[in-house]
Amino acid sequence: GAVVSQHPSRVICKSGTSVKIECRSLDFQATTMFWYRQFPKQSLMLMATSNEGSKATYEQGVEKDKFLINHASLTLSTLTVTSAHPEDSSFYICSAAGVPPKEAQHFGDGTRLSIL
Amino acid sequence: DAKTTQPNSMESNEEEPVHLPCNHSTISGTDYIHWYRQLPSQGPEYVIHGLTSNVNNRMASLAIAEDRKSSTLILHRATLRDAAVYYCILRLGSGNTGKLIFGQGTTLQVKP
Repeated sequence: GAVVSQHPSRVICKSGTSVKIECRSLDFQATTMFWYRQFPKQSLMLMATSNEGSKATYEQGVEKDKFLINHASLTLSTLTVTSAHPEDSSFYICSAAGVPPKEAQHFGDGTRLSIL
Repeated sequence: DAKTTQPNSMESNEEEPVHLPCNHSTISGTDYIHWYRQLPSQGPEYVIHGLTSNVNNRMASLAIAEDRKSSTLILHRATLRDAAVYYCILRLGSGNTGKLIFGQGTTLQVKP
């Protein structure tokens, strides 16, 4: 069964709205989680590394004030897309490791964000 | 991050073996070779990983060249459910905190 849960699976909202996406590790603790974005017909692009109890590490070119990451507990990381615009419409996916094999990343089923 | 090169697409017949190649000529001694696959509208799924020796698990086998500059993911009997994008990724070191940088992957089509 799934070991990483993402919510919501799909969201449609108006331009200017802030949207929060949750990523939960199920039955295991994840000190590190990762957030990715994927546009249609493209590969996954790593956005940031979420670290429990400390600031997230953002990849080059990703605006930290636009994509707020909070990792307040060992089982939950949230990504908030602030003041979303149509160009932020994408498939957002999180991952975490902690279930054997320990090197394997387990991914959520993604959140499809559509900004009108 | 070391780069991998994979064919854009491959085709296979159902119930036949599939060999998915990956070139990683700039691999370093501490890079692990990881394979993930992604079905449409889903998050990626871990398939297998290795360092130097060939590896087998319930999903697939991983054959690693002696010089580690290439590897091959082997699906022993392809099914229609194996149709997906397969990503070969080099990840620095062991442990569970290393990030994954995805390339374009190989789109595998499985014909009945």
